[in-house]
Amino acid sequence: KNEVEQSPQNLTAQEGEFITINCSYSVGISALHWLQQHPGGGIVSLFMLSSGKKKHGRLIATINIQEKHSSLHITASHPRDSAVYICAVIIRGGADGLTFGKGTHLIIQP
Amino acid sequence: DTAVSQTPKYLVTQMGNDKSIKCEQNLGHDTMYWYKQDSKKFLKIMFSYNNKELIINETVPNRFSPKSPDKAHLNLHINSLELGDSAVYFCASSKEGLAGGRGNIQYFGAGTRLSVL
Repeated sequence: KNEVEQSPQNLTAQEGEFITINCSYSVGISALHWLQQHPGGGIVSLFMLSSGKKKHGRLIATINIQEKHSSLHITASHPRDSAVYICAVIIRGGADGLTFGKGTHLIIQP
Repeated sequence: DTAVSQTPKYLVTQMGNDKSIKCEQNLGHDTMYWYKQDSKKFLKIMFSYNNKELIINETVPNRFSPKSPDKAHLNLHINSLELGDSAVYFCASSKEGLAGGRGNIQYFGAGTRLSVL
């Protein structure tokens, strides 16, 4: 079982819909990252969280440390949001580097 | 200027060959990483280097060796390439190491798609 689980694996929605992607982890962490991988393959870091909530434009990320759960929300979704969204954690006391979830493939249809 | 640049973008080679992938960052970061993304798109850490010191080495075959001539570069050398090495390899950097809990944002290169025939 992977230490980081994401749901759903695939999500197709209509333009304008509110999107939620979930991430659960089974280990103690120092921080959690949300990454976006574009269809062309490039990876961009969206957020780094260790508590609470962060907002950037139409993207909101929340984390609940006690419940070992994080969510990524996209408001007023747009076709250009279509990408793979990857949750990754830094395991507390573990080696350096990120431990990744398997990603959520999001398609926003016009 | 690209913050983290990898070359080449594509690499096609025969089994048994030795190849290198170069990575350079111009962000002044102290820590650099190599990640492997397999055919199922799953990313996994391979190495990280902090101030020219290898600080992790996951269960990666010793045919893979990271080499850092200076703080801005972390090259990946692969000896005796095998079919299973076919993947996309991503270089990344962060201002400081992640394990200390500071959890700095990582900046990724565009990836190198390696195909071993």
